[in-house]
Amino acid sequence: GAVVSQHPSWVICKSGTSVKIECRSLDFQATTMFWYRQFPKQSLMLMATSNEGSKATYEQGVEKDKFLINHASLTLSTLTVTSAHPEDSSFYICSAQGKGNTGELFFGEGSRLTVL
Amino acid sequence: KQEVTQIPAALSVPEGENLVLNCSFTDSAIYNLQWFRQDPGKGLTSLLLIQSSQREQTSGRLNASLDKSSGRSTLYIAASQPGDSATYLCAVILNDYKLSFGAGTTVTVRA
Repeated sequence: GAVVSQHPSWVICKSGTSVKIECRSLDFQATTMFWYRQFPKQSLMLMATSNEGSKATYEQGVEKDKFLINHASLTLSTLTVTSAHPEDSSFYICSAQGKGNTGELFFGEGSRLTVL
Repeated sequence: KQEVTQIPAALSVPEGENLVLNCSFTDSAIYNLQWFRQDPGKGLTSLLLIQSSQREQTSGRLNASLDKSSGRSTLYIAASQPGDSATYLCAVILNDYKLSFGAGTTVTVRA
């Protein structure tokens, strides 16, 4: 199946700093990628839809100025958590739609962010 | 708004027993339904994708059914093994490719 890679897999940062997470589709082009957040023992919640070459679409309640998404190429989307605070500590996962019309989505390994 | 519910929330079975995981959704206008496995602290692994026109998909010991009219999908895992211990997530894919996830069923298979 298609491969989606996320980096870093885990990161610890101080409160007030910014953290960038990369999501790459390794063997296919992804015009659309999705970013999710998962709190402990909860399911994934969609944060935003990232479209190559255009602005991301954010879900209700997600601050677009805090979670900056850039999808500059067909294989790379980045999520930057700006001025991170402890409540931003979470597991962030990206996904990309594979080729064809099946609609199957492939997920990255996830990035665990801990803000001290 | 699409609501996805998974029952039970947790399940513990002895090795060799068959597993039945249930997923229900409120809006039948779905594009696809996808089952995932998530190990602790890890990302998602896609198990089975059922397109809206299909009624079931099989892969090895896994079988997933889909009944759109009743808003239900069931994941069957035959002859469970300790390595099957994980959280299983059901996700409904809407026409814009957004997913709505259930909260998951955490499975423990005892050796």
